[in-house]
Amino acid sequence: RKEVEQDPGPFNVPEGATVAFNCTYSNSASQSFFWYRQDCRKEPKLLMSVYSSGNEDGRFTAQLNRASQYISLLIRDSKLSDSATYLCVVNMYPRLGNDMRFGAGTRLTVKP
Amino acid sequence: DAGITQSPRYKITETGRQVTLMCHQTWSHSYMFWYRQDLGHGLRLIYYSAAADITDKGEVPDGYVVSRSKTENFPLTLESATRSQTSVYFCASSESPGTTGGETQYFGPGTRLLVL
Repeated sequence: RKEVEQDPGPFNVPEGATVAFNCTYSNSASQSFFWYRQDCRKEPKLLMSVYSSGNEDGRFTAQLNRASQYISLLIRDSKLSDSATYLCVVNMYPRLGNDMRFGAGTRLTVKP
Repeated sequence: DAGITQSPRYKITETGRQVTLMCHQTWSHSYMFWYRQDLGHGLRLIYYSAAADITDKGEVPDGYVVSRSKTENFPLTLESATRSQTSVYFCASSESPGTTGGETQYFGPGTRLLVL
């Protein structure tokens, strides 16, 4: 089983739609969770951290379910500029340092 | 603010040759990382470094060597390149865990390596 699994998609949605991505992780000791965004042929960039209470940043909402070991990302009112691949990232605690595992990513295309 | 840079951006080499990919960061971040990204696998950690002269293996270290004599540089060497090492290589850096935002990794633009 992969340490971090994501639905690869692609998700094709119209502008204005709401779309949700899920991610599951295998390390029950993990303590830090993130969503990164990666545009085509570019480097990944942090989109948001995922806190245990859930958190929101504008149109983006992240949720964490420790009991079921999954993380979700909800995007409301999708924009064309949201088209990208979204990477779920989980730390490998208790390994020391910033040892992270990346999911293979979920590809989103927002169409006019 | 140069941030984190990688060179070369593109490289074509032949099987058996030694290749070194360079990574340089200007933030004085403690941690640096090397990843490879392949279709279907996502980003996989090759090596990371917590500080100068401290390195550790990641998920897929075989066939790679790293060094970190200076905080700002973290070169990755493929000692004898193989076709399976054809990939996109990303370098990243971060502050120390335990600091605010310390787990955020900042990535370089990547090096596309083709081994023939």
